[in-house]
Amino acid sequence: KAGVTQTPRYLIKTRGQQVTLSCSPISGHRSVSWYQQTPGQGLQFLFEYFSETQRNKGNFPGRFSGRQFSNSRSEMNVSTLELGDSALYLCASSKASGLYNEQFFGPGTRLTVL
Amino acid sequence: SQQGEEDPQALSIQEGENATMNCSYKTSINNLQWYRQNSGRGLVHLILIRSNEREKHSGRLRVTLDTSKKSSSLLITASRAADTASYFCATEEARGGSEKLVFGKGTKLTVNP
Repeated sequence: KAGVTQTPRYLIKTRGQQVTLSCSPISGHRSVSWYQQTPGQGLQFLFEYFSETQRNKGNFPGRFSGRQFSNSRSEMNVSTLELGDSALYLCASSKASGLYNEQFFGPGTRLTVL
Repeated sequence: SQQGEEDPQALSIQEGENATMNCSYKTSINNLQWYRQNSGRGLVHLILIRSNEREKHSGRLRVTLDTSKKSSSLLITASRAADTASYFCATEEARGGSEKLVFGKGTKLTVNP
């Protein structure tokens, strides 16, 4: 079974631009979550989507948004990029059935904002 | 906010030795998961322990969970150079209705050949 895939793997943008990252979950997984990882703040939860609905949201500004499609693939968008948005963005998928769901992560997208 | 806190922050051992990492958390949880990350790459899922379990094994990994102390430990036995990585614990809170994980800052393990 194929793992979680993320595209692109690397991205370089300049301040003020916007960016869209994509995540394809493991087949059969209905939940997709996004995390930001930086050296200073560590791994922080951005949001989670389940059946095309945002089910939970972390403490990030409105510039960070996402969506999920009917095939469970998800995208996240960051508008008006700031230098501090440079990070590794990770998505994770899970079956989201019951209380004990393993979450599997993709390789991440490394975003650099210049 | 970071709920899990790993201890120690860094650990350096020789190949063949055992490595123990600890994790503490603050709220009631459904489960606790341990992950490994190599050099800023994606997270590799190691093991999930449910809130009603006390110990779990997977190969050279042994995880314990003490919900009364809100703590967990990961033991890697007979370590190998390939185990060199950062290890994170992550908790899924018991509020339910979401797959949100709260991560600790991680333990950086170095296994010297």
